[in-house]
Amino acid sequence: QVQLVQSGAEVKKPGASVKVSCKASGYTFTGYYMHWVRQAPGQGLEWMGWINPNSGGTNYAQKFQGRVTMTRDTSISTAYMELSRLRSDDTAVYYCAREHSGYPVGVYWGQGTLVTVSS
Amino acid sequence: DIQLTQSPSFLSASVGDRVTITCRASQGISSYLAWYQQKPGKAPKLLIYAASTLQSGVPSRFSGSGSGTEFTLTISSLQPEDFATYYCQQLNNQRTFGQGTKVEIK
Repeated sequence: QVQLVQSGAEVKKPGASVKVSCKASGYTFTGYYMHWVRQAPGQGLEWMGWINPNSGGTNYAQKFQGRVTMTRDTSISTAYMELSRLRSDDTAVYYCAREHSGYPVGVYWGQGTLVTVSS
Repeated sequence: DIQLTQSPSFLSASVGDRVTITCRASQGISSYLAWYQQKPGKAPKLLIYAASTLQSGVPSRFSGSGSGTEFTLTISSLQPEDFATYYCQQLNNQRTFGQGTKVEIK
């Protein structure tokens, strides 16, 4: 069965960077785009971008351009999302989500990683 | 950017009620819309994609309709496990989520 297992919670200081991992299993990692979505405490969902694990190509939401980098390591079926120049309003749960097999929407989701930005 | 506006933002309903949530897009998105359900502390769950296609395993009391700029999610008979927050998402140009609709017990 498809599983996405994310790395553990992080606490970072303002201005630092964070890198969240998403290890995939149960399917061919390079066959499906991976999206990243975040959710601030008590707030709604916010799409950050996607990565094509086959080519490494990316598409970032304009809001995060210049601060986010999505990468992958196909040898270990893992996707990464790195966010730099962290601010307090980056405090959120970050999710990875694999696309549906027949439609470009997230169907399998990781468990989420809480990133707390605090001085 | 394409903006999505959901209404209402909050809905109080009883078990057995028919519930309808609307999602309006700031520009036409054809049928490139999905609906998710999210419960506290959990990842979102895909309910409907392509505006009206029910995701495998989702109960048939959920249905979606619409195209262009106006879409609806309908729950025909609300069940206790349906109390949650619902989000629409457009897939026409990058991705955007609506602000969410919280469905609570009356």
